[in-house]
Amino acid sequence: AQSVTQLDSQVPVFEEAPVELRCNYSSSVSVYLFWYVQYPNQGLQLLLKYLSGSTLVKGINGFEAEFNKSQTSFHLRKPSVHISDTAEYFCVQSGGSYIPTFGRGTSLIVHP
Amino acid sequence: EAQVTQNPRYLITVTGKKLTVTCSQNMNHEYMSWYRQDPGLGLRQIYYSMNVEVTDKGDVPEGYKVSRKEKRNFPLILESPSPNQTSLYFCASSLWGSNSPLHFGNGTRLTVT
Repeated sequence: AQSVTQLDSQVPVFEEAPVELRCNYSSSVSVYLFWYVQYPNQGLQLLLKYLSGSTLVKGINGFEAEFNKSQTSFHLRKPSVHISDTAEYFCVQSGGSYIPTFGRGTSLIVHP
Repeated sequence: EAQVTQNPRYLITVTGKKLTVTCSQNMNHEYMSWYRQDPGLGLRQIYYSMNVEVTDKGDVPEGYKVSRKEKRNFPLILESPSPNQTSLYFCASSLWGSNSPLHFGNGTRLTVT
């Protein structure tokens, strides 16, 4: 069975600082990886996805993630965060049986 | 506009009173699913459907029912709600295929007293 581990439940950071949200996935024959963001009182929306090809994936709002097969990681990064990036972030893996597997989420808290 | 629409957004009910949360998508997606979100537990899948008349249990199906009579609609039914079903619920849909991203509704916050 797939499992997705988000290593930090909460990440506090100051505005304009860089941030990395960590995610480890299960090794599998086919791996598709997604990051979703959930702003307060809203549903989840897609930030970025890795399906194949380049291991560096760029998403919306200046976020990017790097697929690392040897370390089974898909960490999300942003070089300079804003207050508006305060949200819950979910790493999701699918492939094989298709049913997506969610990590437990990381709460990014950006302080002024 | 492509969207997943859930209703209602907020619902307060009492133990044992049957309720239905509706979910509709306008993207002709084959796959639809229901999740509940609880603090510290992330999103857990309740039920999913791969197409009309095809549904299957997710990780936490007890106390819930679903139906998929039409492609666009996937209602979640609580026949006899209990306080432990107080949660935030999300409906999602996608094209069939594990490389397709999910589209989420805005959520339904359910309180069972």
